Amino acid sequence: DAKTTQPPSMDCAEGRAANLPCNHSTISGNEYVYWYRQIHSQGPQYIIHGLKNNETNEMASLIITEDRKSSTLILPHATLRDTAVYYCIVRVANQAAGNKLTFGGGTRVLVKP
Amino acid sequence: SQTIHQWPATLVQPVGSPLSLECTVEGTSNPNLYWYRQAAGRGLQLLFYSVGIGQISSEVPQNLSASRPQDRQFILSSKKLLLSDSGFYLCAWNLAAFGTQYFGPGTRLLVL
Repeated sequence: DAKTTQPPSMDCAEGRAANLPCNHSTISGNEYVYWYRQIHSQGPQYIIHGLKNNETNEMASLIITEDRKSSTLILPHATLRDTAVYYCIVRVANQAAGNKLTFGGGTRVLVKP
Repeated sequence: SQTIHQWPATLVQPVGSPLSLECTVEGTSNPNLYWYRQAAGRGLQLLFYSVGIGQISSEVPQNLSASRPQDRQFILSSKKLLLSDSGFYLCAWNLAAFGTQYFGPGTRLLVL
């Protein structure tokens, strides 16, 4: 699996957009970029994923660079409930491996009033 | 819709005692199932995964074992708990080769 690099922590203001970067310079052509978040004492929550194109859903937007070596998760209007650890994961598309997710350290996001 | 359950939510066990954590998935068939562990302040570590009944793959050598007696049931066990087994245990599922993994609420285990 390709490895990802994220800043260990970042603060953002409530109501403003939060832009979370992730580097995955060794990503392969068939690997997807996934984002999860984990609010304290809860299981990880799926946010969004993408392969090449930018993606948007009700929670966030995912911007993937043209060379696919990095991506940015955008929370358009951060709320206090968005305080969590955010994980960027590159996933092997291999049924034999059970499609396991390899979690790194993530980015600890603190949304401040 | 699909839901995933884990129990118990919290468990305090003495060193040397046995362990059984259960995970069940509703609303789907033939899911891939996963057990992860998260030590305090750390990232998630994959322990076991299963692509079918009776099929278990272990990711790291340890004091734990897993079983899948039914299609939507995944059990994590130990014969004798160690202090180092303390942590937050998470079960997850997905479908097919490209399905997103969805996590359960987790079981917090404290071994004293």
